[in-house]
Amino acid sequence: EIVLTQSPATLSLSPGERATLSCRASQSISSSLAWYQQKPGQAPRLLIYDASNRATGIPVRFSGSGSGTDFTLTIGSLEPEDFAVYYCQQRSNWVGSFGQGTKVEI
Amino acid sequence: QVQLVESGGGVVQPGRSLRLSCAASGFTLSTYGMHWVRQAPGKGLEWVAVIWFDGSNKYYADSVKGRFTISRDNSKNTLNLQMNSLRDEDTAVYYCARDLRYSSSFMDVWGQGTTVSVSS
Repeated sequence: EIVLTQSPATLSLSPGERATLSCRASQSISSSLAWYQQKPGQAPRLLIYDASNRATGIPVRFSGSGSGTDFTLTIGSLEPEDFAVYYCQQRSNWVGSFGQGTKVEI
Repeated sequence: QVQLVESGGGVVQPGRSLRLSCAASGFTLSTYGMHWVRQAPGKGLEWVAVIWFDGSNKYYADSVKGRFTISRDNSKNTLNLQMNSLRDEDTAVYYCARDLRYSSSFMDVWGQGTTVSVSS
């Protein structure tokens, strides 16, 4: 079973600042990683897939990078609506798993 | 528009069964893999199961393997999750989600969830 570890658990920033979120896999997963955003009371929203591809309708301030075991989600300049919880997800050998999440707060 | 609507949640005693359904609209269900993902109260997301576009392959999280069964009826645009031998730790909001592709990868469309509470 592949374990995803996200850091930090909480990121305290202000609007306009840059956010850098990390996700580390317990073994290599090539580029098979996605990032999701979840706001309270809402379903998750796909932001990035295959490590670096933006999903449909996602603003350019969201970018993903990495391969193998280390991945990064960067939010270039935080907007008020970006304060939420972010999860990474992998799908190695067809079985999925999520990281524990990073909360981006003001 | 593309939409997923879950149903079937409720309160159930430990050891009993429950069947969740997910109705798809606005797209051709038969060309996409489909997932179930759950979220316990105040906790993170947990991937539960996936079924390929034609039902030929199914994969489960270890925590539900042997107790839960994912299935689909493409003619009725419906995804199902049969949950047997329910435990307290199965209490969660259950989301159905569409895969980006025909098999098992990432989830680009999500329902709003249905709540399952396992309690005596």
